[in-house]
Amino acid sequence: DIQLTQSPSFLSASVGDRVTITCRASQGISSYLAWYQQKPGKAPKLLIYAASTLQSGVPSRFSGSGSGTEFTLTISSLQPEDFATYYCQQLNSYPTFGQGTKLEIK
Amino acid sequence: QVQLVQSGSELKKPGASVKVSCKASGYTFTSYAMNWVRQAPGQGLEWMGWINTNTGNPTYAQGFTGRFVFSLDTSVSTAYLQISSLKAEDTAVYYCARVNDYIWGSYDYWGQGTLVTVSS
Repeated sequence: DIQLTQSPSFLSASVGDRVTITCRASQGISSYLAWYQQKPGKAPKLLIYAASTLQSGVPSRFSGSGSGTEFTLTISSLQPEDFATYYCQQLNSYPTFGQGTKLEIK
Repeated sequence: QVQLVQSGSELKKPGASVKVSCKASGYTFTSYAMNWVRQAPGQGLEWMGWINTNTGNPTYAQGFTGRFVFSLDTSVSTAYLQISSLKAEDTAVYYCARVNDYIWGSYDYWGQGTLVTVSS
């Protein structure tokens, strides 16, 4: 199985901050990576697919980059509704998820 | 609009079985595969496997063979997850999620989740 390691696991930030979350794969996955946002008690929501393509309806302050084994999700200016847990997922082989990054208000 | 609506919460005793449903609407059910994802309390997302909605052929992730069964009723656009011989460690929220091959196999729609609680 391909392992995904997200860093950091916890992140404290303020409204307006720029934040970056990293996802590293245990082997190359080309650009078969997606990012999801999950709020408490809710289903995950797709933000980005193919490593860098914004899903329809997702605000442009979210962006993704990377290929191969290292990927990043960046939120350019945090809004109050962005405080949530973020997961990366690889789809190159049998899917796996990263362990999650909880983004909290400072 | 696309919707995946799951059945309600379940409270089961150890050793019992449970069947979770996921009813799709707003699209052609057999055009998109369905995945199942587990989330234990306070934990992350875990891929359980998927079912080909054309053929009914299921694929199970490691750790989800034997007691877990994916099935379909295409006449009512519904996917099912059945878990037998329930254990306390099966307590979790179970999600169905539609796979969209047009966006590199990402999961563009999710059910609202079904909480299964296993307790004596």
